[in-house]
Amino acid sequence: AQSVSQHNHHVILSEAASLELGCNYSYGGTVNLFWYVQYPGQHLQLLLKYFSGDPLVKGIKGFEAEFIKSKFSFNLRKPSVQWSDTAEYFCALTSSSGGYNKLIFGAGTRLAVHP
Amino acid sequence: NAGVTQTPKFRILKIGQSMTLQCTQDMNHNYMYWYRQDPGMGLKLIYYSVGAGITDKGEVPNGYNVSRSTTEDFPLRLELAAPSQTSVYFCASRPAGRQETQYFGPGTRLLVL
Repeated sequence: AQSVSQHNHHVILSEAASLELGCNYSYGGTVNLFWYVQYPGQHLQLLLKYFSGDPLVKGIKGFEAEFIKSKFSFNLRKPSVQWSDTAEYFCALTSSSGGYNKLIFGAGTRLAVHP
Repeated sequence: NAGVTQTPKFRILKIGQSMTLQCTQDMNHNYMYWYRQDPGMGLKLIYYSVGAGITDKGEVPNGYNVSRSTTEDFPLRLELAAPSQTSVYFCASRPAGRQETQYFGPGTRLLVL
């Protein structure tokens, strides 16, 4: 069965610090990978996605993620965080075994950015 | 487009009561989903539908039922509410196709006492 692991449950940073959130998955076949963000009191929004091609994908608000197939990883990065990045971040995948129908989510990482 | 809408936003139920969470999308998406979100657990798939008249179970279907009589609507039914069903429920939809993404509704917060 597929699964997604997010290693950091809580991250606290100061503004302008660099961010890297870890995401690893377990599945040997083809996957689509996603990062979603949930701002306080809001619904999930797509940050970025990887389907194929260039393993470095850029998303909204200055976020990027790198797909490293050999490490089964899809870490999220941002060079300089802002207070407005305070949110919960979810890594997720769909896979060929599920017909790419179903999203499997990690447990989430709660990011707090202090001014 | 309003996107994915959910009602109600918040509800308190007593143990054993029943209720229906409503979900509607106006994007003509084939696929629709129901998730529950519990603290520290991420989102878990309850049920999904690939089109009108077709539904299937996700990871955590027990205690819930769904129907899909139209493309737009995908209600989630709780027949006998239990405290374990206290959660935030999200509905999502997406178009057909491998490289399509899901769009989420604003959520329904449910408290069962």
